[in-house]
Amino acid sequence: EAEVAQSPRYKITEKSQAVAFWCDPISGHATLYWYRQILGQGPELLVQFQDESVVDDSQLPKDRFSAERLKGVDSTLKIQPAELGDSAMYLCASSLDGDYGYTFGSGTRLTVV
Amino acid sequence: AQSVTQPDIHITVSEGASLELRCNYSYGATPYLFWYVQSPGQGLQLLLKYFSGDTLVQGIKGFEAEFKRSQSSFNLRKPSVHWSDAAEYFCAVGAPDTNAGKSTFGDGTTLTVKP
Repeated sequence: EAEVAQSPRYKITEKSQAVAFWCDPISGHATLYWYRQILGQGPELLVQFQDESVVDDSQLPKDRFSAERLKGVDSTLKIQPAELGDSAMYLCASSLDGDYGYTFGSGTRLTVV
Repeated sequence: AQSVTQPDIHITVSEGASLELRCNYSYGATPYLFWYVQSPGQGLQLLLKYFSGDTLVQGIKGFEAEFKRSQSSFNLRKPSVHWSDAAEYFCAVGAPDTNAGKSTFGDGTTLTVKP
């Protein structure tokens, strides 16, 4: 069964350092989402891509977060500088064409110390 | 903007007992509705979805959910719970007339299954 690949699975970083997460969606999926899930809460959309274009980044803290999907395939989410409040699970999901048929990856658990 | 409320933070049921997890949504038109399950440290898996038509939706792992427009609810049910169902469950709503593909999630209900 096709999967969404994410790496790393776990990341511990110090406050003010830079950190990056990688996501490889299911082959052929045009829509890619990055969600952030704080412990005890549901996932919150950070950014949505359609191919290489950003569709929605209204909840992305743009002063410190950036996301790219240069060739419309895999994607990178970056935080610089990391803050204590960024500790969370970062989930990537993809769908065929924005059709809500999400497949989620296993996520990256970020701890900022 | 759409929103989702899951009133029960934590539910405990005995193995073999029936289960109902509550979900209430807020949205001006007919929403798209979803239930996901998340095991500890893992991503989310889609259990079932409602777009239109029959208001009783069947999903994977023996789960079903019923859309009730008059109550703005989409409760998840299972007639007999197995120990492996212990996990966190998230209800989500999509808004097809605004952002295609974006889902807004509730804060989840943690299910514990007693032997």
